[in-house]
Amino acid sequence: GAVVSQHPSRVICKSGTSVKIECRSLDFQATTMFWYRQFPKQSLMLMATSNEGSKATYEQGVEKDKFLINHASLTLSTLTVTSAHPEDSSFYICSATPGGRNTGELFFGEGSRLTVL
Amino acid sequence: AQSVAQPEDQVNVAEGNPLTVKCTYSVSGNPYLFWYVQYPNRGLQFLLKYITGDNLVKGSYGFEAEFNKSQTSFHLKKPSALVSDSALYFCAVRDNDYKLSFGAGTTVTVRA
Repeated sequence: GAVVSQHPSRVICKSGTSVKIECRSLDFQATTMFWYRQFPKQSLMLMATSNEGSKATYEQGVEKDKFLINHASLTLSTLTVTSAHPEDSSFYICSATPGGRNTGELFFGEGSRLTVL
Repeated sequence: AQSVAQPEDQVNVAEGNPLTVKCTYSVSGNPYLFWYVQYPNRGLQFLLKYITGDNLVKGSYGFEAEFNKSQTSFHLKKPSALVSDSALYFCAVRDNDYKLSFGAGTTVTVRA
């Protein structure tokens, strides 16, 4: 199946710093990528839809100035957690779907665990 | 709005026994249903999907799921569970914009 890569897999940062997480589709072009957040032993919560060449669409309750999303190319979307605080500690997962004719499923990255001290 | 529900937080079975993970859905229009599996500190791996066609869908690692329109269910099944099947399983429904809504997840533990 298609491959989606996330980097870094783990990051620890101090409170007040910003952290960037990258999501790449390695063998297909993705006009749309999605960013999810997952708390321990809980389900995935959709944060935003990342659209190549345009602004991201955020879900209700997600602060767009806090979670900056950039989808600069058809294979790369980035999530920047700005001025991170301990409550931002979470597992962040991206997903992507191939454009054009595709079989419907989303492909997920391996996730990035953010710990804010 | 569309949604899925996984009524069981945990499922425990002995290795070699059948495994069933339950999922019910609520959609307006045709459902696009998926099952994913997640191992600790990993992303989600696609198992199978129902878009249209046969109600019995076969997927990866010996899993299958049966789409039942009258009961609005999409239960995941495996005839003979393995210890390595122990993981967190998510049922999901997709809308026309490719957004997935996930169930709460079911933790499967297969004991040797």
